[in-house]
Amino acid sequence: KAGVTQTPRYLIKTRGQQVTLSCSPISGHRSVSWYQQTPGQGLQFLFEYFSETQRNKGNFPGRFSGRQFSNSRSEMNVSTLELGDSALYLCASSLAGAGNQPQHFGDGTRLSIL
Amino acid sequence: ILNVEQSPQSLHVQEGDSTNFTCSFPSSNFYALHWYRWETAKSPEALFVMTLNGDEKKKGRISATLNTKEGYSYLYIKGSQPEDSATYLCAFKGGTSYGKLTFGQGTILTVHP
Repeated sequence: KAGVTQTPRYLIKTRGQQVTLSCSPISGHRSVSWYQQTPGQGLQFLFEYFSETQRNKGNFPGRFSGRQFSNSRSEMNVSTLELGDSALYLCASSLAGAGNQPQHFGDGTRLSIL
Repeated sequence: ILNVEQSPQSLHVQEGDSTNFTCSFPSSNFYALHWYRWETAKSPEALFVMTLNGDEKKKGRISATLNTKEGYSYLYIKGSQPEDSATYLCAFKGGTSYGKLTFGQGTILTVHP
């Protein structure tokens, strides 16, 4: 069974640009969550999608947005990039949500802002 | 703001030692407590998801206990091996069956041969 796939693995952008990251969950998983990890911070929850609907959102500015498609693939978009957006972005999938089910993580996209 | 605290921040042990870490979380509105292992250059891997007070789970040499009334969980590793070297993360799930997992900062374990 293929795992969670994130693309691209690495990305370099400059301030003010926008970026789109992609996440393909494990087949059959309908819940996709996104997390940000920066040095000194733990994994910070961005948002969760289930059946194309955002069910929950973390404490991030509106520049961070996402969506989920009918095949459960998800994309995350960050507009007007800032230096502080440099981070590892992880997505995780599960059958129905992060409650009593383990999250299956991808390898992440490392975003660097110059 | 939810506080999920892990201690110690880092730990160095010798091969064969047994060790344990602590995760503290809010004792109210509990739904589940997750443990993950994150090895360098890999993605976090789920170890346990615990939901009931008094729960004990075991996977090989690794086990975990849960006390939801006082808000803590212990992770134990028996007979540590160099391949156990990783960051161990706990994550608190409050309220509902979906949505936000709140992660602790992790405990970095280094096992020396």
